[in-house]
Amino acid sequence: DTAVSQTPKYLVTQMGNDKSIKCEQNLGHDTMYWYKQDSKKFLKIMFSYNNKELIINETVPNRFSPKSPDKAHLNLHINSLELGDSAVYFCASSPQPLNTDTQYFGPGTRLTVL
Amino acid sequence: GQNIDQPTEMTATEGAIVQINCTYQTSGFNGLFWYQQHAGEAPTFLSYNVLDGLEEKGRFSSFLSRSKGYSYLLLKELQMKDSASYLCAVRDSGNNRKLIWGLGTSLAVNP
Repeated sequence: DTAVSQTPKYLVTQMGNDKSIKCEQNLGHDTMYWYKQDSKKFLKIMFSYNNKELIINETVPNRFSPKSPDKAHLNLHINSLELGDSAVYFCASSPQPLNTDTQYFGPGTRLTVL
Repeated sequence: GQNIDQPTEMTATEGAIVQINCTYQTSGFNGLFWYQQHAGEAPTFLSYNVLDGLEEKGRFSSFLSRSKGYSYLLLKELQMKDSASYLCAVRDSGNNRKLIWGLGTSLAVNP
């Protein structure tokens, strides 16, 4: 009965590779997010989808491409991985249009690029 | 620009009270959130303020002053398990509902 799940939990890969991270939520939420948390613990929004439509697209290299096949899934594909991509990537979801619009986070994917 | 300031680290004693401050300067405002993040885990929601005043929820309370761009999180009867990072986030106005996050305050609770 996991609310927001991500796979894989850990990902270790070489520079230049292409990798994907998957996210699924079973909360019935309309909105999903991808965040990057670096070693300094700064949580930075990357993308957000609302009902499969991209609504937030921050200044992120175009090597990062999100895909939302349906409103319960938001995947993140990364091409040509670089050392600076090493971070924890969190997926989150939130309901709409409830007042507090709390975001529920997945457990995170720790990406290490060697 | 968008800016959220919190102290980097705080230390407190078990059983005590601690107040974590957050000041913000954002182009829009549509609510302020506090999240707790234990090391190696995901952030979890603690509180939400959109109107001025104090919101109390058990041992945790959060205060907001929109005119001063200021909030605080008050933790009472501190327990060892409260050792964590506390993140302040402001929701931007507009339809995208983006959260602007502070760097977090790392709280260490000592016995």
